[in-house]
Amino acid sequence: EVQLVESGGGLVQPGGSLRLSCVGSGFTFSNYWMNWVRQAPGKGLVWVSHIDNDGSSTNYGDAMRGRFTISRDNAKNTVYLQVDSLRVEDTGVYYCTRDADGHFDSWGQGTLLTVSS
Amino acid sequence: EAMLTQSPLSLTVNLGRPASISCRSSQTLVHYDGKTYLNWYHQRPGQSPRRLIYRVSNRDSGVPDRFSGSGSGSDFTLTISRVEAEDVGVYYCMQGTYWPRTFGQGTKVEIK
Repeated sequence: EVQLVESGGGLVQPGGSLRLSCVGSGFTFSNYWMNWVRQAPGKGLVWVSHIDNDGSSTNYGDAMRGRFTISRDNAKNTVYLQVDSLRVEDTGVYYCTRDADGHFDSWGQGTLLTVSS
Repeated sequence: EAMLTQSPLSLTVNLGRPASISCRSSQTLVHYDGKTYLNWYHQRPGQSPRRLIYRVSNRDSGVPDRFSGSGSGSDFTLTISRVEAEDVGVYYCMQGTYWPRTFGQGTKVEIK
């Protein structure tokens, strides 16, 4: 069974940093692109970032580019999202998703990041 | 950026009745490889989203056949032939043709 488990969320002050993690199991992690998707409280889904299967190619949403960095460690079956220069509007649940040829076929349970003073 | 516009944003349906959600893109979603990467997700209250349909009309395993997807180019539709109580929640379309990936605003489905 495919499982994605996120961790690392918490309360951070504006301007602060945090690293989110997502561990995959039940599949060959190194064969898949991975993504992060954000959902602000009571709002819709916003795509955040993507990384290809060996980490050589990445993409970011416009609001995240330059502040967020996605990376992966295939030996640990883990994808990371380093979030810097955090803003109040970055608050939300961050989901890790597995990318299966242009669609997200598996989602984690999410980790909540709250940016507040 | 391919903007996706869903309508309606809210839908109240009687049990056993049909429901349809539209998703329109600001540009064609036909990729240069010939495939159309328009997908649908369902999010029940308090849960993570779940893939429902991928590449316009392919149902995910375990998705009841009362759900169907159709459309082409920039105009797509999700149809529920007979709404059941478990279908409540928010439905999102998402395009995987272009970077950045984009989602529609979501359509909230409730039972009357």
